Amino acid sequence: DAGVTQSPTHLIKTRGQQVTLRCSPKSGHDTVSWYQQALGQGPQFIFQYYEEEERQRGNFPDRFSGHQFPNYSSELNVNALLLGDSALYLCASRRAGASGTEAFFGQGTRLTVV
Amino acid sequence: TQLLEQSPQFLSIQEGENLTVYCNSSSVFSSLQWYRQEPGEGPVLLVTVVTGGEVKKLKRLTFQFGDARKDSSLHITAAQPGDTGLYLCAVLGSKAAGNKLTFGGGTRVLVKP
Repeated sequence: DAGVTQSPTHLIKTRGQQVTLRCSPKSGHDTVSWYQQALGQGPQFIFQYYEEEERQRGNFPDRFSGHQFPNYSSELNVNALLLGDSALYLCASRRAGASGTEAFFGQGTRLTVV
Repeated sequence: TQLLEQSPQFLSIQEGENLTVYCNSSSVFSSLQWYRQEPGEGPVLLVTVVTGGEVKKLKRLTFQFGDARKDSSLHITAAQPGDTGLYLCAVLGSKAAGNKLTFGGGTRVLVKP
């Protein structure tokens, strides 16, 4: 059973560019959340997708957007990249509706903006 | 001000020593989780504590939830190099809030052989 998989693992982009990160949830999971983890800090919640809709959003600008597909996989898009967007981007999946269900994280995508 | 304050930020010890890391807040939580994150990996859930005063053990790791449910600690006995990593505490939001996780800043632990 494959866990949460993210691609690519590493990415280098230039300021002003746009980037798309991808996530496939763990088998049986239908809810995907994205987190940003700056160097030396804990992860910060960006947003969550369930039933192909954004359900919750953290304190991130509109440059951060996402999508969830019918197969529950998800994309995170960031427009007009800033140097401060350099971070590890983590995807976590869980099964909605089950109380106390554990979230499983992918290995992350390391984004470097130069 | 962060919801969860972790201390210390960094800890370097020799193999065989004991260590304790702390997670503190002014808020009361219904539950609190501890994760370990190794370099190049995502966080992995170690334990969830839900009852004030609760103590849970996971091999050489002992987790305690404060009586007032505002703080927690993680104690590692006889640390090994495999314990090296970033230890994160987190609170799980309500179902209405999408069960989002709010993390502390983490404690980076380095166990030297």
